[in-house]
Amino acid sequence: GAGVSQSPSNKVTEKGKDVELRCDPISGHTALYWYRQSLGQGLEFLIYFQGNSAPDKSGLPSDRFSAERTGGSVSTLTIQRTQQEDSAVYLCASSLVESQPQHFGDGTRLSIL
Amino acid sequence: SQQGEEDPQALSIQEGENATMNCSYKTSINNLQWYRQNSGRGLVHLILIRSNEREKHSGRLRVTLDTSKKSSSLLITASRAADTASYFCATDARFQKLVFGTGTRLLVSP
Repeated sequence: GAGVSQSPSNKVTEKGKDVELRCDPISGHTALYWYRQSLGQGLEFLIYFQGNSAPDKSGLPSDRFSAERTGGSVSTLTIQRTQQEDSAVYLCASSLVESQPQHFGDGTRLSIL
Repeated sequence: SQQGEEDPQALSIQEGENATMNCSYKTSINNLQWYRQNSGRGLVHLILIRSNEREKHSGRLRVTLDTSKKSSSLLITASRAADTASYFCATDARFQKLVFGTGTRLLVSP
């Protein structure tokens, strides 16, 4: 069955470049989440979309990070002027509604040189 | 800030042994969830226990919840090498987003 799909699976870029990470959630899931996971660490919440409500951006670490969700489905996380500390795995998850179990993609491993 | 803290941070056992991981949290919750993460993969939901439940089973998994102590435990019985992974608890507080703990790395040796 179709799960959460993230692309690209790996991204290597130079410091200062902008990157876009894509997430295709499970069809029909109204809630979509972005997390960041540094090597061997737990999950750091970034941003959360629920239906047509204003997104919860409280976890975004700086104004270089932004995300959008078009048509209540696909989401794009954009990091502008990347820094080396942005290197991490970025995970996307979706759930049927808020508070229900989340289904995760396999993440995008981002490396900033 | 992290809501859940798992203990131990790492656990190494032999196949066939039981593995117990603990999670402590700070605020009142609606439910608590456990997830597994294999290396290089996303998290997979294992089990959800509601705040009014004390114990829940799923196959070889047993989860307990003690809301008075704000703690939960995950027991994996008769472990297998394939159980090697990181395990995370996640708490769902009323009107709050799900918050993940720091994880326990489990290594099951054949």
